[in-house]
Amino acid sequence: DAEITQSPRHKITETGRQVTLACHQTWNHNNMFWYRQDLGHGLRLIHYSYGVHDTNKGEVSDGYSVSRSNTEDLPLTLESAASSQTSVYFCASSRTGNEQFFGPGTRLTVL
Amino acid sequence: KNQVEQSPQSLIILEGKNCTLQCNYTVSPFSNLRWYKQDTGRGPVSLTIMTFSENTKSNGRYTATLDADTKQSSLHITASQLSDSASYICVVSAGDFGNEKLTFGTGTRLTIIP
Repeated sequence: DAEITQSPRHKITETGRQVTLACHQTWNHNNMFWYRQDLGHGLRLIHYSYGVHDTNKGEVSDGYSVSRSNTEDLPLTLESAASSQTSVYFCASSRTGNEQFFGPGTRLTVL
Repeated sequence: KNQVEQSPQSLIILEGKNCTLQCNYTVSPFSNLRWYKQDTGRGPVSLTIMTFSENTKSNGRYTATLDADTKQSSLHITASQLSDSASYICVVSAGDFGNEKLTFGTGTRLTIIP
């Protein structure tokens, strides 16, 4: 069955380290998204991509980067992790104009 | 600024009872409204999607309503079950086809007790 997966599911890192969160989907969706979820906030968009080699900034993109080298993957990189980036991160994918399907999430703790 | 507000923040009800969750939004231009269910430790899963012209849509024991004039939506759960314990998130889409932007509410945490 087609699906969307994230790895790792849990990650603990130190301030200043570079961290990469993986997202992989097998639906062949053009669109992929990264969100973070924090208490008291709805999901907030970090970066998104509408196709290979296309990337765009969301509302909370500072300190994060993405690259899209193929249809299936959109890794999220934290260049220099900060404690404010402790959060739960969700990847999602969709066909243009259709609903987004979410991955299971990655819980990141920055000490 | 596009905003989605949900109420109540949390709700506890007995198994078998009904409940209604509320969503108010100020999003423009409106495209559609979705309700998602998010179980603890999982990603959100879509329950319903409603466009401007739809007033009511059902998915099993879940019934969503939309009043585009007052910019309000509700999600009614009938005969609640323990498995309904989750967060319910209202999501409003704005923009043109192919360029939609989603605004998420903070969710209502629903707990069903036996």
